[in-house]
This record gives sequence, structure tokens and C-alpha cells, in this order.
Amino acid sequence: AQSVAQPEDQVNVAEGNPLTVKCTYSVSGNPYLFWYVQYPNRGLQFLLKYITGDNLVKGSYGFEAEFNKSQTSFHLKKPSALVSDSALYFCAVRSPWDQGGKLIFGQGTELSVKP
Amino acid sequence: DAGVIQSPRHEVTEMGQEVTLRCKPISGHDYLFWYRQTMMRGLELLIYFNNNVPIDDSGMPEDRFSAKMPNASFSNLKIQPSEPRDSAVYFCASSSVGLAAGELFFGEGSRLTVL
Repeated sequence: AQSVAQPEDQVNVAEGNPLTVKCTYSVSGNPYLFWYVQYPNRGLQFLLKYITGDNLVKGSYGFEAEFNKSQTSFHLKKPSALVSDSALYFCAVRSPWDQGGKLIFGQGTELSVKP
Repeated sequence: DAGVIQSPRHEVTEMGQEVTLRCKPISGHDYLFWYRQTMMRGLELLIYFNNNVPIDDSGMPEDRFSAKMPNASFSNLKIQPSEPRDSAVYFCASSSVGLAAGELFFGEGSRLTVL
């Protein structure tokens, strides 16, 4: 069965500092991995995805994520955090065998960036 | 494109009443998903459709919940009768098999409060 774990409910970072939001996954085969962001009272917005190829993928708003197959991780990173990055972040996984595009989401990590 | 459109954005009703949530997916997308978000359970997949046909409804919590997709541009999720524990934000999302990894595009959600 597919699963995603986000071990931190909340991450606090000072503005200008680098940030990391952690994600580990479990899926059969090579996974498709995603990060989404949710601002208050809004829907989820797609940030970035990993399908294959370069382990470092770049996405919207200066975010990037690193795929590590041996550690089954897909951590979200940003070199310099902004207050406006404060939001709820979700990691998601899909099996490449699942033609349906069904995504399994983690529990979410609340990112708080203080000035 | 207008994106995924959901209505109503907010619904307050009394226990026992019927609730209908509506979704218009992105034109050309052939997958439609209904998710529910609560603090306790995070994001749960309720049901998803492919080409208007329900593929997996194993996440629908009870017989009180039903969903239909009569055509490619509309889906509804009904709860009858509603209960206070159904209070949540319900998201609709759409996707296309033509997208390389099948990322989902979410609506803004319908916040349901059952008194």
C-alpha cells in the first residue's frame, strides 16, 4: 500500500533562513512525488513534482525538492524563506502503475516564517 | 481556464438535512476526485471518476454519502441525512491522463458546517 509521512506537524523558520519540510514515502515501484501548498481558506496549489531523472527538481516560488531513493525521501527546500511562504504544505505520492492519477497525501506540515 | 469551480463555498445546515456540493472540473480533464479535509483526519480521498464513471468509492464513509458525474463538466456530492461529524472542507480536483504525472488541480473547496 502507498503511504506518505510528514514527520513534523509544524516547522518554524526565521525570514531569510533556509527551510526544509520533510517527507518520506512508501510505494511499489518508482514513485511519482508531489508537493502542494495550501494557503488559509484556499484549495491546494501544485508546487512541483518528481517523475524521473535529476533528483533535484525545481518548482514554483523558488521551492525545490530532493528525491532520495535510498532514504525514500522527498524533502521540500528553499534557500531563503519569506514570510509569505507561511502556509500548510502537503507531500503526495502516486504509484506509476496507477493510471488513475489517485494521489495519497501526507498529513501536512504547517510552515511558519517569522520576520 | 477558470480552474476547478466548486459551489457553494460555505454551507451551514442542520443535522438531518440533505447537502449537495457541486463541482465543475477543468475542461478536457478526464479524472475527477472528491477529497475531504478535517483537522483530525487530514485529506481523505472519498471517490474518483474517470470519463464520468466511478472508479474507486472505497473512501466514501457511509451510505449517507453519494456522488455522481452525469457529464464531463459536472459532478455532485450528496450527504443525506447530514450529521455534525460530516463538518469538513470538501475539495474537488481534476486531472488528465495526458499530464505526465497526473498532478491534480484543486478547487477552492466547500466548507460544510452541520449543526
